[in-house]
Amino acid sequence: DIQMTQSPSSLSASVGDRVTITCRASQSISRYLNWYQQKPGKAPNLLIYAASSLQSGVPSRFSGSGSGTDFTLTISSLQPEDFATYYCQQSYSTPRTFGQGTKLEIK
Amino acid sequence: QVQLQQWGAGLLKPSETLSVNCVVNGGSLSYYYWSWVRQPPGKGLEWIGEINHSGDTNYNPSLKSRVTISVDTSKNQFSLKLSSVTAADTAVYYCARGGGYKFDSWGQGTLVTVSS
Repeated sequence: DIQMTQSPSSLSASVGDRVTITCRASQSISRYLNWYQQKPGKAPNLLIYAASSLQSGVPSRFSGSGSGTDFTLTISSLQPEDFATYYCQQSYSTPRTFGQGTKLEIK
Repeated sequence: QVQLQQWGAGLLKPSETLSVNCVVNGGSLSYYYWSWVRQPPGKGLEWIGEINHSGDTNYNPSLKSRVTISVDTSKNQFSLKLSSVTAADTAVYYCARGGGYKFDSWGQGTLVTVSS
């Protein structure tokens, strides 16, 4: 199985801050990397697919980069609705695997 | 826009079989893989398996011996069965569109609790 490791596991930030979350794969996954946002009691919501493509309807303050084993999700200017948990996920091979999540909290 | 609506029994006893169904509204089962993902309370996401409209499946090896995913194209729905459940299977179970690319639509989730 490909292990996905996110850092940090939790993060405190303020509205307007620029935030970066990293995700590392245990082996190269090319650009088969997706990012999801999940709010309490809700299903995950796709933000970024194929490492850097913005899903339709997602605000442009979200961006993704990386390839191979190292990836980042950046939120350019945090908005109140962005406080949530974020997951990376590899779609390179089965079993599909997720990172452990990064909880983004209000400072 | 495709919408996934899911339902299933919410309370099971140990050793029983979990069953959750997911109907696809506003779209066809064709051209995509359809997945099941679960999330234990307060924990992260675990992919269970996927199926396409032809019935081709891929399962997580950690659950493969207990999982069956099936599809009914006449009803535009797919289903999950997990046998011999224990307390460790207590989770919210989600259906989702996607597999080898991206999970771009999700059901609302079904909380399944296993307790004697």
